[in-house]
Amino acid sequence: GIQVEQSPPDLILQEGANSTLRCNFSDSVNNLQWFHQNPWGQLINLFYIPSGTKQNGRLSATTVATERYSLLYISSSQTTDSGVYFCAVARRGSTLGRLYFGRGTQLTVWP
Amino acid sequence: DTGVSQDPRHKITKRGQNVTFRCDPISEHNRLYWYRQTLGQGPEFLTYFQNEAQLEKSRLLSDRFSAERPKGSFSTLEIQRTEQGDSAMYLCASSALRDNEQFFGPGTRLTVL
Repeated sequence: GIQVEQSPPDLILQEGANSTLRCNFSDSVNNLQWFHQNPWGQLINLFYIPSGTKQNGRLSATTVATERYSLLYISSSQTTDSGVYFCAVARRGSTLGRLYFGRGTQLTVWP
Repeated sequence: DTGVSQDPRHKITKRGQNVTFRCDPISEHNRLYWYRQTLGQGPEFLTYFQNEAQLEKSRLLSDRFSAERPKGSFSTLEIQRTEQGDSAMYLCASSALRDNEQFFGPGTRLTVL
């Protein structure tokens, strides 16, 4: 399978700070998704970004597929941003689409 | 579009009992996936359906596990003779064929006593 490494594993911020989360993967991919897992365990879709850059409000993401990494930027963080952020990828060339997940970044935002 | 739904949300059972979970995907989605997540880990793939055909199964899916998607709509995941190691969150996801962006349900949290 594909190895997915996320860093940092834990991040503690004060409200209003900016942060960057990184996802490295070991093979070519045709799908890359960022998720936020809320305290009840639901995975919320943030970005579907196999390549390029996207922005959605205070969040943006960039995937450089040729260098096998993706970055998630959170600006002006809020306490509601707390939770676990997962990166997940699907291998290029596979028609089945199973996702391989990293271990996540645990983000805590203090007021 | 009501999203992916799963039932039940929580299940507590005794070791050795059988349990069955249900997943209703987004209505126009052909692909359906089951994943399992244990504490401190990312979700791990269990199995994949395209319409009613089960096209891939993980090694994690022992012979005590069986999944079906009889009419290409909802899916069920059954665990027979549950063990304490089966305690986990079971997540269902669905996607369209065109791009495979996966959308997840709220999960079923299983506790085996």
